[in-house]
Amino acid sequence: DADVTQTPRNRITKTGKRIMLECSQTKGHDRMYWYRQDPGLGLRLIYYSFDVKDINKGEISDGYSVSRQAQAKFSLSLESAIPNQTALYFCATNREGRSEQFFGPGTRLTVL
Amino acid sequence: AQTVTQSQPEMSVQEAETVTLSCTYDTSESDYYLFWYKQPPSRQMILVIRQEAYKQQNATENRFSVNFQKAAKSFSLKISDSQLGDAAMYFCAYRGGSNYKLTFGKGTLLTVNP
Repeated sequence: DADVTQTPRNRITKTGKRIMLECSQTKGHDRMYWYRQDPGLGLRLIYYSFDVKDINKGEISDGYSVSRQAQAKFSLSLESAIPNQTALYFCATNREGRSEQFFGPGTRLTVL
Repeated sequence: AQTVTQSQPEMSVQEAETVTLSCTYDTSESDYYLFWYKQPPSRQMILVIRQEAYKQQNATENRFSVNFQKAAKSFSLKISDSQLGDAAMYFCAYRGGSNYKLTFGKGTLLTVNP
């Protein structure tokens, strides 16, 4: 079954460490997104990519970077993690021309 | 900028009863899409239902239906015959017609009592 997967599912790290969160999809979608969820705030867009050579900042991109290694892979990096980046991170995908986005299972990141 | 407001942080319903979750949004666009996503304790974001603004008919998916009032910018979700598995956080989301981005409300936590 076509799917969106995220690794790791849970991660605890320390302030100042570099962290990479990975997203892979077998849906054949061209568009991929990274969101962050904080309690009481809903989901907010960090970065998005419409194809391999296209990277765009979302509303809260400071402190994050991304890489689109292939159509199916989109990674989110925290170069130097800080405690207020503790959150649940979601990858999502959709196809151009389709409005709904499909989400991965999420990565819970804790920065101590 | 578009905003999405869910005014009910928490709701509860008895099993087999009906519950309605509220959502209002603010936009100047005429072409857009609205969604309800469900997030159970497993934390997976699951698409429940979708509505295109140009469609007058309210979307329905089994026990889930919406009341879309375009002029009032209101998009409520009705869950009929509530089941224990419906217990989750529910998010309303908006996407502009020419846009890519989903704007989410802050969510409503639904409890289903046996």
